[in-house]
Amino acid sequence: GDSVTQMEGPVTLSEEAFLTINCTYTATGYPSLFWYVQYPGEGLQLLLKATKADDKGSNKGFEATYRKETTSFHLEKGSVQVSDSAVYFCALRYSGGGADGLTFGKGTHLIIQP
Amino acid sequence: DAGVTQSPTHLIKTRGQQVTLRCSPKSGHDTVSWYQQALGQGPQFIFQYYEEEERQRGNFPDRFSGHQFPNYSSELNVNALLLGDSALYLCASSGTGTLSEQYFGPGTRLTVT
Repeated sequence: GDSVTQMEGPVTLSEEAFLTINCTYTATGYPSLFWYVQYPGEGLQLLLKATKADDKGSNKGFEATYRKETTSFHLEKGSVQVSDSAVYFCALRYSGGGADGLTFGKGTHLIIQP
Repeated sequence: DAGVTQSPTHLIKTRGQQVTLRCSPKSGHDTVSWYQQALGQGPQFIFQYYEEEERQRGNFPDRFSGHQFPNYSSELNVNALLLGDSALYLCASSGTGTLSEQYFGPGTRLTVT
């Protein structure tokens, strides 16, 4: 079946450091890919998405590119802030067919130190 | 405009009991999905409801059942609770259309003792 694998956390960085959170997937079809963020005490929020190969999703300084050849969707940010501390989830989902449950990775806890 | 709401916020049940969790979707949304998030894990898809019918189901036993009402709100029922059912249960709503974004509620924390 389909699955998503993320790098283990916690990931601890200093403010203004460069961030990469790795995400790879296994899928039988051609899914869309997502990054969700869960801030402390809050619900899941969509951060960015990409619907086909070579698409780049971006939001709030975060970027991720859908790489079909390496089945990856790594999350990057050039300069992190303390407010980026949260748990980040990579996920996939199929469009069409009338059903679209998300398949999530286990999450990566990001801690940014001032 | 209210987002996705869930009730109750927290719940403690005893092994073997039954529980019902409730979800009201975001205004304008007609599709509701339920997820289980165990501590330290990513959410796992339970099922999705559209037009009062279950249209997709994840790898969960029949003890997990649901319902969607004409106003699009939804319930998740779990029978014969096990200790392993302790988790955060998330509801997400979305509109009609391909890849309509799923908006998540804050969740219900279920503890089974």
